[in-house]
Amino acid sequence: DTEVTQTPKHLVMGMTNKKSLKCEQHMGHRAMYWYKQKAKKPPELMFVYSYEKLSINESVPSRFSPECPNSSLLNLHLHALQPEDSALYLCASSQVSDRGMYGYTFGSGTRLTVV
Amino acid sequence: AQKVTQAQTEISVVEKEDVTLDCVYETRDTTYYLFWYKQPPSGELVFLIRRNSFDEQNEISGRYSWNFQKSTSSFNFTITASQVVDSAVYFCALSEPNSNDYKLSFGAGTTVTVRA
Repeated sequence: DTEVTQTPKHLVMGMTNKKSLKCEQHMGHRAMYWYKQKAKKPPELMFVYSYEKLSINESVPSRFSPECPNSSLLNLHLHALQPEDSALYLCASSQVSDRGMYGYTFGSGTRLTVV
Repeated sequence: AQKVTQAQTEISVVEKEDVTLDCVYETRDTTYYLFWYKQPPSGELVFLIRRNSFDEQNEISGRYSWNFQKSTSSFNFTITASQVVDSAVYFCALSEPNSNDYKLSFGAGTTVTVRA
C-alpha cells in the first residue's frame, strides 16, 4: 500500500457546522502533515505530526484542530470556519530517519467549501 | 524570503515540443532535498522526483529529465516530446531538515498547457 487516503473528497459546510477531515496511510510513515492550498497557489503547511506528536503548528487559527490518534491516522477537526477557509486540504506522510525524509506522499485532497 | 522561485508562471506548447521548467532555490543548509510534483486538473499532487544535495547526477526517467546544478542553485525539469496528458501545474519544492524540520517549501508553480 503506497497511498495516502483522504475522506471525504468534497465537503460543503456552513459556518456554524462542525466537521472532520480524515487521512490514513499504511506505509509505516511516522510523519504526517496537513497542507492548505488555495486556487492557483502552492500548498502551504499547516501542521506536522512526528511520531504522533504535534511538532509544527504554522500559526493556524484555532478553528482548525488537528488530531493524530495513532501512527496511521490523522484528522483535522473544523469548527466555525469562514468562507475564506474554502480550499483544497492535502494530507501527506513521510518516513523519517537520520538521513532525512523519504517517500513524501500526498493524498488526493479534500475540496472544502464553506458557505 | 522566497526559498524556491519558479519564474515561469505559464508555458503553452504544441504536442511533441520539449518543455523546460526552471527552479531556483535558496538555502544555507548543506543537507537539503529538492522535489518536483505534478498537479493535474483533478487536484492530486503526484510525486515526480526527489534529489538530495549530495547527489548532483542528472536523471532521466522516460520523457522526463532533471538537471541539478548546485553552482547555480537550480533544479530544472524538462519534458521531452510533450503530450496533452502533461498539461498540469508543476511545483518545485525544497526541504531543509536541519533548520526547517520536515516542511516542504513550494515554489509558486508553473502551469503547462500542451495543445494537440
